[in-house]
Amino acid sequence: KAGVTQTPRYLIKTRGQQVTLSCSPISGHRSVSWYQQTPGQGLQFLFEYFSETQRNKGNFPGRFSGRQFSNSRSEMNVSTLELGDSALYLCASSMGSGPYNEQFFGPGTRLTVL
Amino acid sequence: QQQVKQSPQSLIVQKGGIPIINCAYENTAFDYFPWYQQFPGKGPALLIAIRPDVSEKKEGRFTISFNKSAKQFSLHIMDSQPGDSATYFCAAYYQGGKLIFGQGTELSVKP
Repeated sequence: KAGVTQTPRYLIKTRGQQVTLSCSPISGHRSVSWYQQTPGQGLQFLFEYFSETQRNKGNFPGRFSGRQFSNSRSEMNVSTLELGDSALYLCASSMGSGPYNEQFFGPGTRLTVL
Repeated sequence: QQQVKQSPQSLIVQKGGIPIINCAYENTAFDYFPWYQQFPGKGPALLIAIRPDVSEKKEGRFTISFNKSAKQFSLHIMDSQPGDSATYFCAAYYQGGKLIFGQGTELSVKP
């Protein structure tokens, strides 16, 4: 069974630009969560989508948004990029929503903002 | 408080030793506590998880001890091996779907 895939793996953008990251979950998984990982703040929850609906949201500004498609694939968008948005963005999928559904993480997208 | 405090930040043990990583939380609404292992260049992978009504759970060489009254839980790795060298994160589920992570512990197991 293929794992969670994220594209692109690496991305370089400049301040003020916008970026879209993509996540393809494991086949059959309906929940996708996004996390930001930085050396200073660690792993922080961004949001969770289940069956195309946002179920939970972390404490990030409105510049961070996401969506999920009918095939469970998900995209995350960051508008008006800031230097502090440089991070590893991780996507995780699970069969269902909630704590007892194991989350499988992808390798992440490394975003660098110059 | 939506925080999970993890210590130590880094840990070095000899092969065969028993590294112990500790986590503490304040929010009693946290309802499930997983541990993740992350190797460089990879995403985190679930190691073991525990519900708050259980005091201990063991899977292979990994054991979680959970003290609900003290709001603390810890990971023990028995007979540690160099291949266990990785970053370990404790976490807690909040409001059913938000996963709150500790700051991570970088473990190095020396041969």
